[in-house]
Amino acid sequence: DTEVTQTPKHLVMGMTNKKSLKCEQHMGHRAMYWYKQKAKKPPELMFVYSYEKLSINESVPSRFSPECPNSSLLNLHLHALQPEDSALYLCASSQAPGQGAQDQPQHFGDGTRLSIL
Amino acid sequence: GDSVTQMEGPVTLSEEAFLTINCTYTATGYPSLFWYVQYPGEGLQLLLKATKADDKGSNKGFEATYRKETTSFHLEKGSVQVSDSAVYFCALSDQSGGGADGLTFGKGTHLIIQP
Repeated sequence: DTEVTQTPKHLVMGMTNKKSLKCEQHMGHRAMYWYKQKAKKPPELMFVYSYEKLSINESVPSRFSPECPNSSLLNLHLHALQPEDSALYLCASSQAPGQGAQDQPQHFGDGTRLSIL
Repeated sequence: GDSVTQMEGPVTLSEEAFLTINCTYTATGYPSLFWYVQYPGEGLQLLLKATKADDKGSNKGFEATYRKETTSFHLEKGSVQVSDSAVYFCALSDQSGGGADGLTFGKGTHLIIQP
C-alpha cells in the first residue's frame, strides 16, 4: 500500500471526452507533482505545486490542466487528448522547501493508466 | 543541467547471485541521490537514499554509497531473489536553487532474476 492514493487506476476515454485524475496524500507534504511515464521509459515531470501554488509547468500542452484545491489534493483535468497521451500518470508528494531538510524523497502513488481511443 | 546515467539492461541473473547496477550523475549543486524500484503495474517505491557524500543508504538487503569523487551511486545486493525482478531507477534531487523541483531519473534498469 502506498501513502499517495490515485484514482482511478485505469481510464479509457475518447479524444473528445473530459475527465479528471485525482491524487490524495495525508503525510503533510506541501509539494506535489504530476509525472507522465511511457512504457519502458523513466517518468517525465509535468507539473510541480509548492504550497498549493503552481511552481513548475514543463511546457505541457493546455489539454492538461492541473489543480491543487488544498494541501492534500491534486487533480489533473484532461480535455481533447490525443492517442499519444496514452501513458501511466504518476502523482508524487514530498516535503517542500522550508518544511525540513532539502531534497527529501518523493513518494509516488501507483498511477492512473490512461488509454486514449 | 543535471543528468543521471545508468546501465539499461535487461540484466539477467540467477537467484542468489551478486547484483551491481551502476549509476553515475552530473549535477551543478549538491544533490541527494535515490534508488527507486518499479514492479509491473505499479508506481515507484523508494528503495534507499543518501543525502551527502559518503552516506550509505540501505534497505531490504540493497546498499548504495554516495561517492562524490567518482560521482557515483551504484546499487548492490549480495544475494538476489526472484522477487527482486523489477525496473530500478537511479535519481537525483537538487533543490539548491531553493524551490521544489522534479527528480532527474536515469533511464531505468530492467532486472530479471531466474530461479
